[in-house]
Amino acid sequence: DAKTTQPNSMESNEEEPVHLPCNHSTISGTDYIHWYRQLPSQGPEYVIHGLTSNVNNRMASLAIAEDRKSSTLILHRATLRDAAVYYCILTRNSGYALNFGKGTSLLVTP
Amino acid sequence: DSGVTQTPKHLITATGQRVTLRCSPRSGDLSVYWYQQSLDQGLQFLIHYYNGEERAKGNILERFSAQQFPDLHSELNLSSLELGDSALYFCASSAQGTSYNEQFFGPGTRLTVL
Repeated sequence: DAKTTQPNSMESNEEEPVHLPCNHSTISGTDYIHWYRQLPSQGPEYVIHGLTSNVNNRMASLAIAEDRKSSTLILHRATLRDAAVYYCILTRNSGYALNFGKGTSLLVTP
Repeated sequence: DSGVTQTPKHLITATGQRVTLRCSPRSGDLSVYWYQQSLDQGLQFLIHYYNGEERAKGNILERFSAQQFPDLHSELNLSSLELGDSALYFCASSAQGTSYNEQFFGPGTRLTVL
């Protein structure tokens, strides 16, 4: 399975944009890029996913590099509630499970 | 609220014992996944069921087993418990059996083995 690399932690100020990077240099053509996050004391929750094109939803935007070897999750205005561990996960079109790595722990300060 | 329910919320038991964790998926979801989260191993996939049939196995120990019933709820059975089995166990559900469907996670069951 292709692996992802994320920074262990990042810090942001409240109401500032946050760019969370993910490297996946061994990604294959059929791998989808998913982002999930886990708030303290809660189960993980879906954030966004994409294949080749940039994606936007109400929570975030996903920017995918042209060669697909990296992607960036963008939170447009961080709030204190966005403090969580963010996981970048690759899934094959025929795969089912989410293989969580260590993720990036995001700290948001007022 | 994800719509996925898990019971019990907390479970404290002794080594060597057997426990059953229960998961009810979101209404209409056919897939149920079980994950284990521990401090040293992080979040790990255990097993996936789709409409009553086992679809995939991850790092699930032989002492652990699961099943999905006709009403689509699922149970994870953990036997001969060891101290290292202490962890948070999450259940997730999705509409179809493929990984590009969003998975909805329950609140988890915290298992403590003394």
